[in-house]
Amino acid sequence: AQKITQTQPGMFVQEKEAVTLDCTYDTSDPSYGLFWYKQPSSGEMIFLIYQGSYDQQNATEGRYSLNFQKARKSANLVISASQLGDSAMYFCAMREVSYDKVIFGPGTSLSVIP
Amino acid sequence: DTAVSQTPKYLVTQMGNDKSIKCEQNLGHDTMYWYKQDSKKFLKIMFSYNNKELIINETVPNRFSPKSPDKAHLNLHINSLELGDSAVYFCASSLGGDRAFKNIQYFGAGTRLSVL
Repeated sequence: AQKITQTQPGMFVQEKEAVTLDCTYDTSDPSYGLFWYKQPSSGEMIFLIYQGSYDQQNATEGRYSLNFQKARKSANLVISASQLGDSAMYFCAMREVSYDKVIFGPGTSLSVIP
Repeated sequence: DTAVSQTPKYLVTQMGNDKSIKCEQNLGHDTMYWYKQDSKKFLKIMFSYNNKELIINETVPNRFSPKSPDKAHLNLHINSLELGDSAVYFCASSLGGDRAFKNIQYFGAGTRLSVL
């Protein structure tokens, strides 16, 4: 069964607008970490933001915030004030306490339109 | 100073050849990984090492052999390359330990392997 689901293969957003990239996950572990990575066309994987399963508050890093809804098992990435440089693939990932590996979702391709 | 560096960045080779990709991290991390990213951008773990010990060995053909001479290095050797091995291979590292699920993985720039 797929552990990480990203239902939006491709998204478009107008420059300066906010955009939400969806991520749902499946785990029975009480402890886990959720991550978002950005992969621009140059190919590198860039860590953006982390949310722990026990964290009370949603994580924020600059223009990135994570809308964490534990009961729904969702961890959506919100990018505020989109910039052209935000055009990239975005991967949601999860690491469970009982498994020593990170599982990645299939990714969402975001295109920012001027 | 690149935190996780892997070489070469590009590798073009013929079917049947043997090739190696090298990875080094200067972050003081305990755990290193190899991932394969296919043409559809799907990222899948292949191996992980913790302090030179193999921890994860996913269903990978035994033509792929990782080697970790020390905890800062993890190399990937591929024998008898096949067309289907063409992909981008990423090295990554993170802290280990009991709270490993909180630890961020940092990635190298990737090695684009093309098998002709």
